[in-house]
Amino acid sequence: SQQGEEDPQALSIQEGENATMNCSYKTSINNLQWYRQNSGRGLVHLILIRSNEREKHSGRLRVTLDTSKKSSSLLITASRAADTASYFCATVLKNTGANSKLTFGKGITLSVRP
Amino acid sequence: KAGVTQTPRYLIKTRGQQVTLSCSPISGHRSVSWYQQTPGQGLQFLFEYFSETQRNKGNFPGRFSGRQFSNSRSEMNVSTLELGDSALYLCASSLYRGATEAFFGQGTRLTVV
Repeated sequence: SQQGEEDPQALSIQEGENATMNCSYKTSINNLQWYRQNSGRGLVHLILIRSNEREKHSGRLRVTLDTSKKSSSLLITASRAADTASYFCATVLKNTGANSKLTFGKGITLSVRP
Repeated sequence: KAGVTQTPRYLIKTRGQQVTLSCSPISGHRSVSWYQQTPGQGLQFLFEYFSETQRNKGNFPGRFSGRQFSNSRSEMNVSTLELGDSALYLCASSLYRGATEAFFGQGTRLTVV
């Protein structure tokens, strides 16, 4: 079963609008990461947030983490057509140390209309 | 700095054959992980290699295997191919073990006919 579940499954917005994507998970984590994938190609790491952090920013990206609700959100501000892609959250379980692995959700398809 | 390189990019094989995929990690990265991506199952972890040893393994049958060489390059092998093995196979390299930031290659698209 998937550790991370993204919501919504698909999102379509107008260029310039903000896009908010959510991820919920089931088991306590060490960190949570967001990745972007363009058209079935490789994944690109966007941001990592650790379990003791609540919010991180990177350029137009803002990620929040609520460990009490076991959820995270990714906000992309002032979206561009080039942001059109699939977005995945990936969790790293707590207490797995060097044997930890990334467990991905099914992804969110974001379409940004010009 | 060159990124993660996967070869070949596309592959068509017949059921029952075997296939070997290659991954060259970013220079200096010693951890290489492999993932299978399909529309139905999404991204699933296959295995991780570090210092030429398999350190972690996902829930895949023994037909899926891999290895890592002293220069950190990695190969994965799938024997007795099945139609369900058709997928995008992604390799990711990391500087350290422990699922920190991973850098992915463009993937190998395997089609089994």
